[in-house]
Amino acid sequence: GIQVEQSPPDLILQEGANSTLRCNFSDSVNNLQWFHQNPWGQLINLFYIPSGTKQNGRLSATTVATERYSLLYISSSQTTDSGVYFCAVENSGAGSYQLTFGKGTKLSVIP
Amino acid sequence: AAGVIQSPRHLIKEKRETATLKCYPIPRHDTVYWYQQGPGQDPQFLISFYEKMQSDKGSIPDRFSAQQFSDYHSELNMSSLELGDSALYFCASSGRAGGSSTDTQYFGPGTRLTVL
Repeated sequence: GIQVEQSPPDLILQEGANSTLRCNFSDSVNNLQWFHQNPWGQLINLFYIPSGTKQNGRLSATTVATERYSLLYISSSQTTDSGVYFCAVENSGAGSYQLTFGKGTKLSVIP
Repeated sequence: AAGVIQSPRHLIKEKRETATLKCYPIPRHDTVYWYQQGPGQDPQFLISFYEKMQSDKGSIPDRFSAQQFSDYHSELNMSSLELGDSALYFCASSGRAGGSSTDTQYFGPGTRLTVL
């Protein structure tokens, strides 16, 4: 099956700092989503971004499908940004619509 | 906007008992997915339904079964529960009209199952 690797696995930031999270995947994808899992366990959709660039407030994402990676940018981080960020992909070659998740990046933003 | 609804939000069961988790997708979404997330793990795909028919199957134990009903809600039935079944169970839905796969999966809040 498709492999999804996220880096870094852990990240500690001072409030106000910027960060870049990376997601590499091993095959072509129909769908790529970024999620934020908050401390209460809820999975919040951040972006649906199989290709191109999108921005939503302090967050933006870029996917370069031909090179099989995606980046999530967080600017001016806040303590409420803490949690785990997951990248998940749907493999276009597998004939399946399931999402395969990476292991996540655990972000801690300290005041 | 309406979101995916899951019930119950928390469930505590004893080993060897059964559990039923319910999912109500976003209105007009035709596809439902179930995922299991163990402690400290990433979510793992279990099973999906498109227009009330099973469309895909992942690492779902034989002790588990699921179905989608005429009103598009779905239920995940779990029997002979084991300690290792303790996890967060997510339901997601998407609007894959015409069989297109290019639609966002929207996740519900999850059901936290604890098996004692």
